[in-house]
Amino acid sequence: DTEVTQTPKHLVMGMTNKKSLKCEQHMGHRAMYWYKQKAKKPPELMFVYSYEKLSINESVPSRFSPECPNSSLLNLHLHALQPEDSALYLCASSGGGRGDTQYFGPGTRLTVL
Amino acid sequence: AQRVTQPEKLLSVFKGAPVELKCNYSYSGSPELFWYVQYSRQRLQLLLRHISRESIKGFTADLNKGETSFHLKKPFAQEEDSAMYYCALRAIQGAQKLVFGQGTRLTINP
Repeated sequence: DTEVTQTPKHLVMGMTNKKSLKCEQHMGHRAMYWYKQKAKKPPELMFVYSYEKLSINESVPSRFSPECPNSSLLNLHLHALQPEDSALYLCASSGGGRGDTQYFGPGTRLTVL
Repeated sequence: AQRVTQPEKLLSVFKGAPVELKCNYSYSGSPELFWYVQYSRQRLQLLLRHISRESIKGFTADLNKGETSFHLKKPFAQEEDSAMYYCALRAIQGAQKLVFGQGTRLTINP
């Protein structure tokens, strides 16, 4: 398996809902990433997990809560989001070394009503 | 601070014509530079990276440290090259954080 998979593909939620995004890879990668991509904008890094530990948090609001249950899985828990949080959320993974390429998933299209 | 600038939001050329997508960066150290591509309805994928010095799908890019540029070039454009192209930078010291440019949408006209 040489892909990063993300579920769900689309998600619509209200501002009071709690939902989770899921990312999975079976390439043996040890670093996993969450990016946010607004329409017609580049991806912006949110979080990085390295060897299952949070290594980078780009000052993301606490209504976004990442979780890395094991080396193959990465979750993003969502609570009390705002309409401006509507975006494409991308997951990526890499080997974990300094020169490693990041491989991206197809993304979850999130709409907050 | 790390910054990547792609001055052209849109670029349109005819099939068979040369293509150059511009990328300039600002970073005080020795960064690693990448080009990522996103074809219609496909995921973002790596096209090439400067340390590999390879040609992928006919594209090449040379890191010019003096001009802080990493322009993407192809001598003869093909219709299947139409896509969104992002230049990205990674600080060697930072290792994991990728900073993307705003992207250039390339359209190849028949």
